[in-house]
Amino acid sequence: ETGVTQTPRHLVMGMTNKKSLKCEQHLGHNAMYWYKQSAKKPLELMFVYNFKEQTENNSVPSRFSPECPNSSHLFLHLHTLQPEDSALYLCASSQDETTSYNSPLHFGNGTRLTVT
Amino acid sequence: QQQVKQSPQSLIVQKGGISIINCAYENTAFDYFPWYQQFPGKGPALLIAIRPDVSEKKEGRFTISFNKSAKQFSLHIMDSQPGDSATYFCAATYRGSTLGRLYFGRGTQLTVWP
Repeated sequence: ETGVTQTPRHLVMGMTNKKSLKCEQHLGHNAMYWYKQSAKKPLELMFVYNFKEQTENNSVPSRFSPECPNSSHLFLHLHTLQPEDSALYLCASSQDETTSYNSPLHFGNGTRLTVT
Repeated sequence: QQQVKQSPQSLIVQKGGISIINCAYENTAFDYFPWYQQFPGKGPALLIAIRPDVSEKKEGRFTISFNKSAKQFSLHIMDSQPGDSATYFCAATYRGSTLGRLYFGRGTQLTVWP
């Protein structure tokens, strides 16, 4: 069982709705990430948090708003989304945010988001 | 510009056969090349990774071959099994960068027929 838990697993929302995705990691890691996975496209890094501080925002539209209250929890607040935002949203964590050969990414199982 | 190019997009192999997935990169600064495996309904999981100071790394039935001069690396799955059916992603980055800044390929959907 993965040490990174995402809820909900599936979410259908209208373009005017406001919803939030939740991620929790039980691995004692200090860095957490949001990725977007669309069909036949490479995984897209959206946000990086290290020790609760956002260290990277990969030019993500403001309709996506991340929140990291502590090193174990990460949220992605969604509002006024577009149909093209429909995708699998993956949360990941790592010991720290710096690449090392012994610090791989651990992914959750994702939230399948459909915007109608 | 896509930093890592992966082929083929899909692959069908008979049980017991060899599955080969290829990736190519442009950035010579890359020095960490992981492969991730993703089953339907699951998130990607690290399968095996290689550094450019070795030309091959083997873990069980999975082998990464690395050609630094050609800027190519490949995943070989020996004695492929139906349980290997999944999507495989190659990736690349450089040590010391933000770990999340992995440049992923588009993925290869592998189907192993019994």
